[in-house]
Amino acid sequence: AQSVTQLDSQVPVFEEAPVELRCNYSSSVSVYLFWYVQYPNQGLQLLLKYLSGSTLVESINGFEAEFNKSQTSFHLRKPSVHISDTAEYFCAVSDQRNYGGSQGNLIFGKGTKLSVKP
Amino acid sequence: DGGITQSPKYLFRKEGQNVTLSCEQNLNHDAMYWYRQDPGQGLRLIYYSQIVNDFQKGDIAEGYSVSREKKESFPLTVTSAQKNPTAFYLCASSHRGKTDTQYFGPGTRLTVL
Repeated sequence: AQSVTQLDSQVPVFEEAPVELRCNYSSSVSVYLFWYVQYPNQGLQLLLKYLSGSTLVESINGFEAEFNKSQTSFHLRKPSVHISDTAEYFCAVSDQRNYGGSQGNLIFGKGTKLSVKP
Repeated sequence: DGGITQSPKYLFRKEGQNVTLSCEQNLNHDAMYWYRQDPGQGLRLIYYSQIVNDFQKGDIAEGYSVSREKKESFPLTVTSAQKNPTAFYLCASSHRGKTDTQYFGPGTRLTVL
């Protein structure tokens, strides 16, 4: 079984400051890794994902995350945040194995609320 | 436009009543999912379906039921057996492959009075 730990429930930062949202996972098998973003009272949107290849993945709005297998981490970073980045961010994992009908099922962390202040 | 719709956005029910939440997708996805979101708890999987006429329990299926009679639709019924039904409910869909991204609907906020 997998589990995901997001170490910070809330992260307040000032606009244009850098930010890192931490995500660690636990799994006995290889996993795929995802970051989703949720704006207030909305559904989740995929921000970026790691499936294979380069361990550094980027989103179109300046976020990046690096898969670190030895540390079982997938931290999300942005060098300079905007007010519009205020949202809740969820890290998620899925099992790489194909075990019947449950492929693609995601295990989510509890979320980190990013609050960007002017 | 392709996407996932959930209706209604807000739903109020009296305790002891069953209520059905709608989820429709026109993305031609085979797989559909229902999650429950509580503050500070992240998302927890209630039920999922990889194909029409088949569905599986997730981590917190007790007190919920689903059906998958059509590829486009995956309604969730919150029964009176669910002890704490007030929550934000999110539906998602994806292709069947294990690397395929899940796309989420806008959610339904259910409040049981």
